[in-house]
Amino acid sequence: DIVMTQTPLSLAVTPGQPASISCKSSQSLLHSDGKTHLYWYLEKPGQSPQLLLYGVSNRFSGVPERFSGSGAGTDFTLKISRVEAEDVGVYYCMHAIDVRAFGQGTKVEIK
Amino acid sequence: QVQLQESGPGLVKPSETLSLTCTVSGDSLSGFFWSWIRQPPGKGLEWIAYIYYSGGANYNPSLKSRVTISVDTSKNQFSLNLRSVTAADTAVYYCARDWGGTTVLDSWGQGILVTVSS
Repeated sequence: DIVMTQTPLSLAVTPGQPASISCKSSQSLLHSDGKTHLYWYLEKPGQSPQLLLYGVSNRFSGVPERFSGSGAGTDFTLKISRVEAEDVGVYYCMHAIDVRAFGQGTKVEIK
Repeated sequence: QVQLQESGPGLVKPSETLSLTCTVSGDSLSGFFWSWIRQPPGKGLEWIAYIYYSGGANYNPSLKSRVTISVDTSKNQFSLNLRSVTAADTAVYYCARDWGGTTVLDSWGQGILVTVSS
């Protein structure tokens, strides 16, 4: 089974400052279809999780440009260029190689 | 725009079977995989299972022995059965649209809290 590990588990950020979350998988997420099946989700307080990024770095519809993703193989990063108050919540990475599995989640709050 | 709505009992007794249904509106099930995910109180997300609209399914290895996922395209619904539940199965259960060729879990239901208690 592929295990997803996120760091840090919590993050307090001053508005306007950048933030970065790391996600590491225990095996490569490069699938035989040529795609890397790494996804990022945000669970805002009181809401269902929502898709932010798919295929490592592609922003889903409506996701602001301040969100970006990078990485390959087993190491991935979600970056927020300038954190806004509406970005608070828990961020999850997830792999979709055959089955799916989430990381533990990273709680982002505003200082 | 696709919408998903979970339904089912909010309280299940220990050792019994938890049964939930997800009704999809705004689009058909065709061409997509559909998933169940859960979140115990105060904890993270756990993927449970997915099913293709035509019936092929896959399960979380840790839950596979107790879970069955099924689909009813005539009703535009898919369902979850979790057998022999314990208090550890208390969670908010979400249904979501899974893989359709590009994105995964791009639309989610609002979630339903299921409590396992006698």
